Amino acid sequence: GAGVSQSPSNKVTEKGKDVELRCDPISGHTALYWYRQSLGQGLEFLIYFQGNSAPDKSGLPSDRFSAERTGGSVSTLTIQRTQQEDSAVYLCASKLGQENTEAFFGQGTRLTVV
Amino acid sequence: AQSVTQLGSHVSVSEGALVLLRCNYSSSVPPYLFWYVQYPNQGLQLLLKYTSAATLVKGINGFEAEFKKSETSFHLTKPSAHMSDAAEYFCAVTPSGTGNQFYFGTGTSLTVIP
Repeated sequence: GAGVSQSPSNKVTEKGKDVELRCDPISGHTALYWYRQSLGQGLEFLIYFQGNSAPDKSGLPSDRFSAERTGGSVSTLTIQRTQQEDSAVYLCASKLGQENTEAFFGQGTRLTVV
Repeated sequence: AQSVTQLGSHVSVSEGALVLLRCNYSSSVPPYLFWYVQYPNQGLQLLLKYTSAATLVKGINGFEAEFKKSETSFHLTKPSAHMSDAAEYFCAVTPSGTGNQFYFGTGTSLTVIP
């Protein structure tokens, strides 16, 4: 696609429910990143996929968070048993494999846990 | 790992005044550096990037940044602030040789006073 696409754009869920957030990166981009942005805060790194390498999961805040990337393209971030502190905007970005290239961001998914 | 520091979480300038947003990196090998802007309720947009081709980098909307190895800095400047520059600004880094990791600073919120 022309840009990074994220869905849904907004998600309201009840505490304790599971949610899945989708990211469709730019075609040909081998690197994919997930970040979390809480209200008024910076970007918190969550997870990073690079080609067929094992993902860097060092930023996932708890074992309730997981992500996968199928076929080197679409990625899904899953949050199990959601808590109110999970409320945030979840941003996905993709970039080419070279280190000197910039990341392109989607518009984000605003998650609200009630 | 936090490899980039933004000094000043909030900066206020008068319209027409110089904008200076600070970013310092911590790696011993010069990394690749980026500045992004986030307007309210929008995604992140690339302003400019340093990829070792030139130390003074010009970006969109009249912004520029200078890479200074001796100071490990990549400060963002604009000679004359416009009201439309009010936004959140993020410095980001890909440390050389780390396999495409992409880390963000905590962000600086710019307010432009009429």
